[in-house]
Amino acid sequence: DTEVTQTPKHLVMGMTNKKSLKCEQHMGHRAMYWYKQKAKKPPELMFVYSYEKLSINESVPSRFSPECPNSSLLNLHLHALQPEDSALYLCASSQEALRTEAFFGQGTRLTVV
Amino acid sequence: SQQGEEDPQALSIQEGENATMNCSYKTSINNLQWYRQNSGRGLVHLILIRSNEREKHSGRLRVTLDTSKKSSSLLITASRAADTASYFCATDISGTYKYIFGTGTRLKVLA
Repeated sequence: DTEVTQTPKHLVMGMTNKKSLKCEQHMGHRAMYWYKQKAKKPPELMFVYSYEKLSINESVPSRFSPECPNSSLLNLHLHALQPEDSALYLCASSQEALRTEAFFGQGTRLTVV
Repeated sequence: SQQGEEDPQALSIQEGENATMNCSYKTSINNLQWYRQNSGRGLVHLILIRSNEREKHSGRLRVTLDTSKKSSSLLITASRAADTASYFCATDISGTYKYIFGTGTRLKVLA
């Protein structure tokens, strides 16, 4: 199983809503990542978890709150987002941070209205 | 911050032709990876090349790495319409946990 599963596939939320994006992998990977991708742009790194601990926060606004409940799950909690936060949010995992290939999920397409 | 620049930004070729994409980066790396992305969905890992390797092959793909020039190239031979996608290089920054993506090349293969 080389799959990273992200839910939901699509999400529309108002600026006052609270929602969560979920990511799951069962490959025993110990590093997990959140990326944000705008149209026709490369993915931009947001957060890196290594062994369930937050290793990197790329100066992401606090309205995005990551959580790693266990080694298989990664959540991204969203609150008071802005329309400019609309993007494709991609989750990835790798066996170790950086040394091996990263597997990506299909992403959650988020629209903030 | 952008670690990798890719060129060309866009490439249009006929089926059966070869496609070459280049990636340049700025800092020391442990490895470099190439990914394909179809229509704004998830990225598919193509190949990983380590900093002590110079060339790697996988099927119709050939990747080279020149650490002295801080550059890599991806060659797709005998292209097919199904190869139409965006291609990104991704580099880790030595001493950090960061994978940073290049600007990408949009490849269109015409049938």
